Amino acid sequence: DAMVIQNPRYQVTQFGKPVTLSCSQTLNHNVMYWYQQKSSQAPKLLFHYYDKDFNNEADTPDNFQSRRPNTSFCFLDIRSPGLGDAAMYLCATSGYSPGQGNTDTQYFGPGTRLTVL
Amino acid sequence: QQQVKQSPQSLIVQKGGISIINCAYENTAFDYFPWYQQFPGKGPALLIAIRPDVSEKKEGRFTISFNKSAKQFSLHIMDSQPGDSATYFCAAKRSGSARQLTFGSGTQLTVLP
Repeated sequence: DAMVIQNPRYQVTQFGKPVTLSCSQTLNHNVMYWYQQKSSQAPKLLFHYYDKDFNNEADTPDNFQSRRPNTSFCFLDIRSPGLGDAAMYLCATSGYSPGQGNTDTQYFGPGTRLTVL
Repeated sequence: QQQVKQSPQSLIVQKGGISIINCAYENTAFDYFPWYQQFPGKGPALLIAIRPDVSEKKEGRFTISFNKSAKQFSLHIMDSQPGDSATYFCAAKRSGSARQLTFGSGTQLTVLP
């Protein structure tokens, strides 16, 4: 089944130690998103890629970076994780689907739960 | 103007009952309104979505009612089941790829057996 895959599902890191979360998709969508979701809150958009064009949200801290080496993969780098960065990180995709054209639907992965010690 | 207000924050319903969650938006440019269901430890999954050209959309036990003039939309879950216990998020966006989803604050639904 076409899907959005995130690895790892659980990540533990130490305060200040860089960490990378990965996302891959088999939907062949041209848009990929990274969201941060804290407990009992709605997902908060960090940034997204439209094809290779990177779009950062105005309030996303500089501590968060992203890379998209190709259509299928996208990475979230947290350069110096703080205790406040402990959260669920969600990857999502949207874009063109054969037979439907451009769609508005965003498809989410299962998330990576980040713990900062 | 970008907010989507969702209520209630939490909802407890008996098995077989009707669950109703309401959302209101301000931005009249919004024209796509999805509902997402999220189980603990999982990513949100699209449940059902509606566009303003219809007032109601039904998929199985799930129905969206849409009131364009009032800028409100709601999710109705008929014959609620314990397996429906989850957090539900309404959202809204303008049509077009990559436009940002604006989420409501979420409703934690508990369906008692």
